[in-house]
Amino acid sequence: NAGVTQTPKFRVLKTGQSMTLLCAQDMNHEYMYWYRQDPGMGLRLIHYSVGEGTTAKGEVPDGYNVSRLKKQNFLLGLESAAPSQTSVYFCASSYGQGWNEQFFGPGTRLTVL
Amino acid sequence: AQSVTQLGSHVSVSEGALVLLRCNYSSSVPPYLFWYVQYPNQGLQLLLKYTSAATLVKGINGFEAEFKKSETSFHLTKPSAHMSDAAEYFCAVSNSGGSNYKLTFGKGTLLTVNP
Repeated sequence: NAGVTQTPKFRVLKTGQSMTLLCAQDMNHEYMYWYRQDPGMGLRLIHYSVGEGTTAKGEVPDGYNVSRLKKQNFLLGLESAAPSQTSVYFCASSYGQGWNEQFFGPGTRLTVL
Repeated sequence: AQSVTQLGSHVSVSEGALVLLRCNYSSSVPPYLFWYVQYPNQGLQLLLKYTSAATLVKGINGFEAEFKKSETSFHLTKPSAHMSDAAEYFCAVSNSGGSNYKLTFGKGTLLTVNP
């Protein structure tokens, strides 16, 4: 099993450009999450999904959109990138609710110039 | 709202010394608590979790943590540090009741192990 995979691993964007980050999991998990990690800030939840076709806002959703068209995939979109979105993005998935372990992907390092 | 405070953003120990990483939480109901570890340039992986079955929880790589309700703490310890323990450690809290689908993470503690 590959677990949780993320594409791409690195990306550099110019301000105003758009991009989509792809997360895929092969564990048949219902719940999926997108976090951003910034130095000294820990991980902050951007959006999450409790099942195929559902999405919900997390702690820092502004400037991002998500979609969960297939159970195994969770996409994070930036419509108009800003330098403040320079960060490392992690996707995670879990079998059940908050008491279940979340499994993390390796991360995507995004730089917005 | 639940929150997590990790005391000390950077802890440095000698190889073979005790590792103690501190975590205090605030929660209106009994929580579920987690410690995750992040090695350089990798994602997070679970070290251990508290789910009310036992207050002393043993995890991987010789780590353990004790849930102390009276102190609202869940400190992580390891008797003897190894060089391979150098990483960033995150404490996280999740409430046990209701529809709660997310973890709240602390800001992390970077552990350095000196030879």
